[in-house]
Amino acid sequence: KAGVTQTPRYLIKTRGQQVTLSCSPISGHRSVSWYQQTPGQGLQFLFEYFSETQRNKGNFPGRFSGRQFSNSRSEMNVSTLELGDSALYLCASSPGQGLNEKLFFGSGTQLSVL
Amino acid sequence: AQSVTQPDIHITVSEGASLELRCNYSYGATPYLFWYVQSPGQGLQLLLKYFSGDTLVQGIKGFEAEFKRSQSSFNLRKPSVHWSDAAEYFCAAGDFGNEKLTFGTGTRLTIIP
Repeated sequence: KAGVTQTPRYLIKTRGQQVTLSCSPISGHRSVSWYQQTPGQGLQFLFEYFSETQRNKGNFPGRFSGRQFSNSRSEMNVSTLELGDSALYLCASSPGQGLNEKLFFGSGTQLSVL
Repeated sequence: AQSVTQPDIHITVSEGASLELRCNYSYGATPYLFWYVQSPGQGLQLLLKYFSGDTLVQGIKGFEAEFKRSQSSFNLRKPSVHWSDAAEYFCAAGDFGNEKLTFGTGTRLTIIP
């Protein structure tokens, strides 16, 4: 079974631009979560989708948004990029909802904002 | 506020030596507890988890963790480390019914020959 696939692997943008990151979960997994990882703040929860519905949201500004498609693939969008948005964005999938389900993480998308 | 603390930013141990990584949590009730490992350029891999029951939890790669309610701790241990264990280790916690995980800031483990 293929693992969680995140594209692109690396991305360079400039301030003010917008960006879309993609996450393909493991086949059969219906829950997708997104996390931001930075050296200063560590790993922070962005949001979680299950069956195309956002079920949980972290404390990020409205510039951060996401969606999930009927095939469970998910996209994350960041508008009006700021330097502080430079981070590794990790996607994780699980078969269902709830922390009793094991999370499988992708390798992440490294975003650099110049 | 809910939080997870990993007091040690960086730990260096000799290959073959024992290891203990510390984790403390601050939650209203006993949360679900996890340890993840991240190798350079990779995502996170689950080592073990604790939901309830036996307070000593066995995980993959020879790791174990002990839940101590009185100390709000969930420390990770390994009797004998291997060079391949060099990585960053994250402790995480979450509430039942809430899929959000709160992570500690991580402990970077260096193994010396």
